[in-house]
Amino acid sequence: GENVEQHPSTLSVQEGDSAVIKCTYSDSASNYFPWYKQELGKRPQLIIDIRSNVGEKKDQRIAVTLNKTAKHFSLHITETQPEDSAVYFCAASMEGGADGLTFGKGTHLIIQP
Amino acid sequence: GAVVSQHPSWVICKSGTSVKIECRSLDFQATTMFWYRQFPKQSLMLMATSNEGSKATYEQGVEKDKFLINHASLTLSTLTVTSAHPEDSSFYICSAGLSDTQYFGPGTRLTVL
Repeated sequence: GENVEQHPSTLSVQEGDSAVIKCTYSDSASNYFPWYKQELGKRPQLIIDIRSNVGEKKDQRIAVTLNKTAKHFSLHITETQPEDSAVYFCAASMEGGADGLTFGKGTHLIIQP
Repeated sequence: GAVVSQHPSWVICKSGTSVKIECRSLDFQATTMFWYRQFPKQSLMLMATSNEGSKATYEQGVEKDKFLINHASLTLSTLTVTSAHPEDSSFYICSAGLSDTQYFGPGTRLTVL
């Protein structure tokens, strides 16, 4: 089955700086890669996703890049703000909403004021 | 749109009892729903895929006789944890697929004494 590795496990950045979280996946059949933000005790919230026919996608301060050849994808957050502090999970699946997601272990992002 | 609810939001039960958790898609129909489990400070792990009108598909290592899943309608899936034990204490989260994206419920915190 699919295996998703996520790094780093903890990331501390100064407010206003950029944060980058990286994930690799093992199954070349995966073609859907979402990123979720989860605050303590809350549900995961989809912040951005990318499909295999696209190499990069951006939504305001958040961007995701995908390298299918290398089987890795990354989340980029620019101009970080205190409210960006949370745990971020990458995930992979073969059919988006019709397939169960395999999650990475998560990155605890800490924005230092 | 795309709202998923869960009930109850938290439950405490005695060891050996059974607990039922409901997952509802409020404003859309979902032929497929998913059940995940999240232990403290860990990632989400897919337990099973719930298919409307047919048997659920369980991930490797998940006991189907212990975690009973019923998906009787296009808007409701239930997870019953039978003969619960303290090691079953966890955060149970469901999701439903719509237009190639998964939407998560708010989760159910189960504590088994």
